Amino acid sequence: EAGVAQSPRYKIIEKRQSVAFWCNPISGHATLYWYQQILGQGPKLLIQFQNNGVVDDSQLPKDRFSAERLKGVDSTLKIQPAKLEDSAVYLCASSNSLGGNTEAFFGQGTRLTVV
Amino acid sequence: AQSVTQLGSHVSVSEGALVLLRCNYSSSVPPYLFWYVQYPNQGLQLLLKYTTGATLVKGINGFEAEFKKSETSFHLTKPSAHMSDAAEYFCAVITGANNLFFGTGTRLTVIP
Repeated sequence: EAGVAQSPRYKIIEKRQSVAFWCNPISGHATLYWYQQILGQGPKLLIQFQNNGVVDDSQLPKDRFSAERLKGVDSTLKIQPAKLEDSAVYLCASSNSLGGNTEAFFGQGTRLTVV
Repeated sequence: AQSVTQLGSHVSVSEGALVLLRCNYSSSVPPYLFWYVQYPNQGLQLLLKYTTGATLVKGINGFEAEFKKSETSFHLTKPSAHMSDAAEYFCAVITGANNLFFGTGTRLTVIP
């Protein structure tokens, strides 16, 4: 079974530029998460989708971050414009349902450096 | 609101020694608790989880954790550390919004 795929693995951009990350979840997984992991910290949830609908985006900085999952499969996370403090690893995860009795599978992440 | 606190950002043990990584939770409802491991430049991998039932949970790679409601704890242990256990370990809890809330992590170093 293929895992969660993310691209690119690494990205370096200048502040005020735009960047987009892509995630393809495990086939059949309805729930998709984007997390931000700043160096030395635990992952912080940015947004959670159930199919193509948003379940929770309360911690997404909506003035600069956006995410979509138009067909309920793969997803894109965008930052526009980027700030220095956006330097982090962006992790995508998927699970086959909501709730505690399921396992979230994580991709390898995209490491973003903003200079 | 549900949350977790990991005590100790860095833990060092000798190879063959006991591993103990601490996690305390706060939750107004019976919690679902998880331990994830993250190897360098990798995503997170589930070690074990507690949902209901038996309070001693066994996971992969010889790790186990015990849910103690009276102490609001879910500490991770392994009887004998291997060099390959060196990694970052995260405790997590399912929140009321059905998403994972992670602790700040504990970096485990294994000394030969």
